[in-house]
Amino acid sequence: AQKITQTQPGMFVQEKEAVTLDCTYDTSDQSYGLFWYKQPSSGEMIFLIYQGSYDEQNATEGRYSLNFQKARKSANLVISASQLGDSAMYFCAMKGHQAGTALIFGKGTTLSVSS
Amino acid sequence: DSGVTQTPKHLITATGQRVTLRCSPRSGDLSVYWYQQSLDQGLQFLIHYYNGEERAKGNILERFSAQQFPDLHSELNLSSLELGDSALYFCASSPVPAGEQFFGPGTRLTVL
Repeated sequence: AQKITQTQPGMFVQEKEAVTLDCTYDTSDQSYGLFWYKQPSSGEMIFLIYQGSYDEQNATEGRYSLNFQKARKSANLVISASQLGDSAMYFCAMKGHQAGTALIFGKGTTLSVSS
Repeated sequence: DSGVTQTPKHLITATGQRVTLRCSPRSGDLSVYWYQQSLDQGLQFLIHYYNGEERAKGNILERFSAQQFPDLHSELNLSSLELGDSALYFCASSPVPAGEQFFGPGTRLTVL
């Protein structure tokens, strides 16, 4: 079965620092996608970044980058130069052939950014 | 703003009742997904529709049903509500089943 594991329930960082949110996954599929979503306290789910299993380069979107290590089955999110507005819950998710097209989510990591 | 709309934003009802949640996907998106987010279960996939047809089912209870209409909006019907059904219900859409999913703002259901 497919599974996403986020082992950090909470992370604390100061403004302008970089932070890494961990995500490991388990799948027997050869083709799959990895996603990160941000959920602020208002509740909406905001798509941040996507990495395909066959992508050779790590994905980047502005201050977000995905550190994809396929052999280790990890897909960590790196946020550079943290801002107060980054305080939120972050979810790692995957979508693979076995689960059809539905996203499977981890339990999330709460990021708190202080000034 | 993802372009996905959900109504209502909040819903408070009593046990045993029936409610309908509505979702309008982004313009041009044929796929609609429903997810449930609760404190104990986290984010769980419920059901997926593509261009009016059911494509996949996840952890959806028999008391729950959904449909996608010709104009591509979707409704999630929850019946015989229990306290444990209290959750945030998200709809997400994508242009094709394998594409990125864009989430609506969610409907927060409270069952008293």
